[in-house]
Amino acid sequence: AQSVTQPDIHITVSEGASLELRCNYSYGATPYLFWYVQSPGQGLQLLLKYFSGDTLVQGIKGFEAEFKRSQSSFNLRKPSVHWSDAAEYFCAVGARTGNQFYFGTGTSLTVIP
Amino acid sequence: NAGVMQNPRHLVRRRGQEARLRCSPMKGHSHVYWYRQLPEEGLKFMVYLQKENIIDESGMPKERFSAEFPKEGPSILRIQQVVRGDSAAYFCASSPDGGQAFFGQGTRLTVV
Repeated sequence: AQSVTQPDIHITVSEGASLELRCNYSYGATPYLFWYVQSPGQGLQLLLKYFSGDTLVQGIKGFEAEFKRSQSSFNLRKPSVHWSDAAEYFCAVGARTGNQFYFGTGTSLTVIP
Repeated sequence: NAGVMQNPRHLVRRRGQEARLRCSPMKGHSHVYWYRQLPEEGLKFMVYLQKENIIDESGMPKERFSAEFPKEGPSILRIQQVVRGDSAAYFCASSPDGGQAFFGQGTRLTVV
């Protein structure tokens, strides 16, 4: 069955500290992986995506993610968190074309001064 | 190129009324997805449409919910005889080719 697991429901980090949000997936075909960010009351903004090639992908706002096929993981990282990064983060998996996207339940990030 | 446009942003309906949610995809996008987000939860897939065709509706409740994406005009998600449990944020996403999806701001439905 296709699924995405985000084990951390809520994470609190200090501003300037590093961040890693975990994502594990189960998918029957070649996975295409995404990270989205959602600010309160807003839609989802794509941070980065992995389709193929280099397993370390760079995204917007200084985020990066690493695809590890052996661990079925696609963890999101940022070396230094800013207060404006406080939001909900969603990992998603899908096929290249013609299929639905499966979302994790999200990780809520709080940034403290 | 404007993003995915959803309207209304907020919709209040009394129990038993109908709710119609509209989604205009990005220009050139012929693939549309509808997702529902309940409070404190992730996004749950509802339906995937291409122009005039429903490709996958495995996430749609069997009753009261329907979706269309006509040749002309926006995609419509229709909920008949709404109940309190239908209160949620409904997100539309569009894609040019069924790959990367671009999301709208959502419609927040409140059933009173």
